[in-house]
Amino acid sequence: EAQVTQNPRYLITVTGKKLTVTCSQNMNHEYMSWYRQDPGLGLRQIYYSMNVEVTDKGDVPEGYKVSRKEKRNFPLILESPSPNQTSLYFCASSLRSGGAINEKLFFGSGTQLSVL
Amino acid sequence: AQSVTQLDSHVSVSEGTPVLLRCNYSSSYSPSLFWYVQHPNKGLQLLLKYTSAATLVKGINGFEAEFKKSETSFHLTKPSAHMSDAAEYFCVVRYPNDYKLSFGAGTTVTVRA
Repeated sequence: EAQVTQNPRYLITVTGKKLTVTCSQNMNHEYMSWYRQDPGLGLRQIYYSMNVEVTDKGDVPEGYKVSRKEKRNFPLILESPSPNQTSLYFCASSLRSGGAINEKLFFGSGTQLSVL
Repeated sequence: AQSVTQLDSHVSVSEGTPVLLRCNYSSSYSPSLFWYVQHPNKGLQLLLKYTSAATLVKGINGFEAEFKKSETSFHLTKPSAHMSDAAEYFCVVRYPNDYKLSFGAGTTVTVRA
């Protein structure tokens, strides 16, 4: 089954304790992206990747890191989490077509992060 | 900068009545426009997309949207709401040569029996 898998679904942590949210897709998609969803703000892009070893900042990259060492995986790293990073996070992937992303994004089920 | 505005944060309709969700975008260039739906505790799913072909776009589950360049709008409609349509809906825009998608703030739809 084609899917984007995020782990964990729920995470409670404390300020400053490094954490990683994993994301994996089994569709051989070039494009992967991380979003955070906050009430009244919709989804805001954190980072995206057009292919292996190619990453770029989205609209709200501060406090986050990513890596794309393999095509299928795109982990989101919070080196020193803070309470303002409490949010619902989504990973998504898509094919590229003609140099731009194919617009149908496949989303993971989300990770609810709480930073105390 | 590109932007997309969803004009209603909440819409409540009775089952069997029409649904209208409004979306406006900034008009610097001709964008690609999409509607995504998010059911409770789920990821987002593509409903439909406009990419400069027909201005009336039909999507899944009976939804359709009309692109109106003169009004910079891309409103989503459904003639008859079903209980299963209760969800959050996002209007999304992508401009040419831009790899980023910009999401509206979302519209929560509730359907009354």
